[in-house]
Order: sequence, then C-alpha cells, then structure tokens
Amino acid sequence: AQSVAQPEDQVNVAEGNPLTVKCTYSVSGNPYLFWYVQYPNRGLQFLLKYITGDNLVKGSYGFEAEFNKSQTSFHLKKPSALVSDSALYFCAVRDSTTTLMDSNYQLIWGAGTKLIIKP
Amino acid sequence: EAEVAQSPRYKITEKSQAVAFWCDPISGHATLYWYRQILGQGPELLVQFQDESVVDDSQLPKDRFSAERLKGVDSTLKIQPAELGDSAMYLCASSLRGPQGTQYFGPGTRLLVL
Repeated sequence: AQSVAQPEDQVNVAEGNPLTVKCTYSVSGNPYLFWYVQYPNRGLQFLLKYITGDNLVKGSYGFEAEFNKSQTSFHLKKPSALVSDSALYFCAVRDSTTTLMDSNYQLIWGAGTKLIIKP
Repeated sequence: EAEVAQSPRYKITEKSQAVAFWCDPISGHATLYWYRQILGQGPELLVQFQDESVVDDSQLPKDRFSAERLKGVDSTLKIQPAELGDSAMYLCASSLRGPQGTQYFGPGTRLLVL
C-alpha cells in the first residue's frame, strides 16, 4: 500500500538558520513526489516535484528537496529560513507504475508539518 | 499566471440549508479534484473528474453531497442538507492528464455550519 509519513508535527527554526522538513514514503514502484505549502486560510501552493533525473530538485521561494531512493525519503530544505516561511507543509506521493484504472493517479498526502520560524 | 478560481471564499450557513461551491480550473486541465480539509490536517479527496466524467467519488457522502462538471470545464460541489460536521475548507484543484501532472489548487472555500 502507498503511504507518506511526515514524522514531525512541528518544526521550529531560528530565522537565518537552515531548515529541514522530513518526508518518507512507501510505494510499490518508482515514486513521483511533491511538496506543497499552505498559509493560513489559503489553498495549497505547489513548491516542487521529483519525477526523474537529478536527485536534488529546486523549487519556489528558495526551497529544494533531495530524493533518496535507498532511504525512501524526500526531505524539504532551505539554506536560510525566513519568518515568512512559517506555514504548513505537505508532502505527497504518487506511484508511477499504477495505471489510471488502478489509482486514478491520485496523490497520497502526508499529515502535514507546521513550520515555525522565530525572529 | 493561470490560476484555479473558486467562489465564494467564505460561506456561513445554518444546518439543514443547502450550499454550493464553484470552481473554474486552469484552462486545458482535464482533471479536476474536490478536496475537503479539516483545520490542521491533510486534504481528503471527495471527487475526481476526468473531463466531464467522475472517475472517483468513493469518499463523497452521496446522501448529501453532489458534484458535477457538465461541460468538462467548471464544476460545482453541492451539500444538501449541510450538517455541523461539514464545517471545513473545501479545495478545488486541477491538473493535466497523466501521472506526472501537478495539481494546482484554488484559494479554497471556508465553510462554517451553525
């Protein structure tokens, strides 16, 4: 069965420090992996995705994520946190080997991690 | 930059009333999703359309919820009658066909049922 885990409900980081938001996944085949951010009372905004190729993916607002197949992880990172990065972050996965009939290409969502950046 | 449009942004209603939400996806996106999100939790898929056809509505409470996408473009999600437990954020998303498609979300409709 497909699943996504975001092991930390909340991550606290001082402004200017590097940040990491963790995500691990379980799929049968190769994963398509996504990160989204959600600000209060807003919809989810797409940050970045991994489909294939370079394991280091760069996205919006200076965020990047590293795909690690052996550890089945796709952690979100940023070298220097901003107070404005404080938000709820969601990781999602889709199994690339499933068909439209199997899964409708649905995303499996993590529970979310609240990121708090302190000045 | 193209965006998914949703209206209204906020809706307050009394239980047993009917409510409707509207979504206009990004032009050219064949797949449209309606999600429900409880505060602080991940989104829960209610219904997925491919063009005008429903491809998954297994999590849609069909006794009170309905969704349509008559011309394969914009979509409406309806609740009748609304219950207190329906208070949540309702999100619409759209994507291109296929497994690599990125889902893009609208701003959501915050529903409060009193």
